[in-house]
Amino acid sequence: EVQLVESGGGLVKPGRSLRLSCTGSGFSFDDYTMSWFRQAPGKGLEWVGFIRIRAYGGTTECAASVKGRFSISRDDSKSIAYLQMNSLRTDDTAVYYCSRDQDKHSWTPSAGGYWGQGTLVTVSS
Amino acid sequence: EIVMTQSPGNLSVSPGERATLSCRASQSVSNNLAWYQQKPGQAPRLLIYGASTRATAVPARFSGSGSGTEFTLSISNLQSEDYGVYYCQQYTNWLPLTFGGGTKVEIK
Repeated sequence: EVQLVESGGGLVKPGRSLRLSCTGSGFSFDDYTMSWFRQAPGKGLEWVGFIRIRAYGGTTECAASVKGRFSISRDDSKSIAYLQMNSLRTDDTAVYYCSRDQDKHSWTPSAGGYWGQGTLVTVSS
Repeated sequence: EIVMTQSPGNLSVSPGERATLSCRASQSVSNNLAWYQQKPGQAPRLLIYGASTRATAVPARFSGSGSGTEFTLSISNLQSEDYGVYYCQQYTNWLPLTFGGGTKVEIK
């Protein structure tokens, strides 16, 4: 069974950093692009970024709203994707979800086939 | 950026009836369109990808259609468990990936 578990969320002050982890199981982690999404309280879904598989250089793309502040990495030996969030702002407050691509070995992201349960990040002084 | 617009914003449907949800893209996304269901306090669940392909374990009462800029999600014989917010998402242009604002489905 495919499972994704996010961790690392919590309450953090503006300007500080936080690193989220997404641990995958039940599939070959290194075969899939992994993405991060977020959902502010009472709002819709927003794409944050994704990381390609190592075969495609493990390259990343991030949304304009987080570019330069957030970065994504992966450790395939541990089946973990990371979201490093720096210079956090109050408008980064959201539930953060990781997602596994629907398609294997895809250079462009496809639909989010599986999602974790999410982890809440609250940025407040 | 491709803007995704969903309608209606809210839909109230009786059990056993059909619900029809619409999603429009500001430019063609070919068939790179997904539909998700999200219930309160839960993560989104993929229902449809490639505009019309049901994801694993999704009941046959869910069907997707359309291509280019106009898409529809139909839920036939609506069940009590089909409540929630439904989102469409395009993945043709991944800078950025974009979602519609959602349609909230309520069971009468």
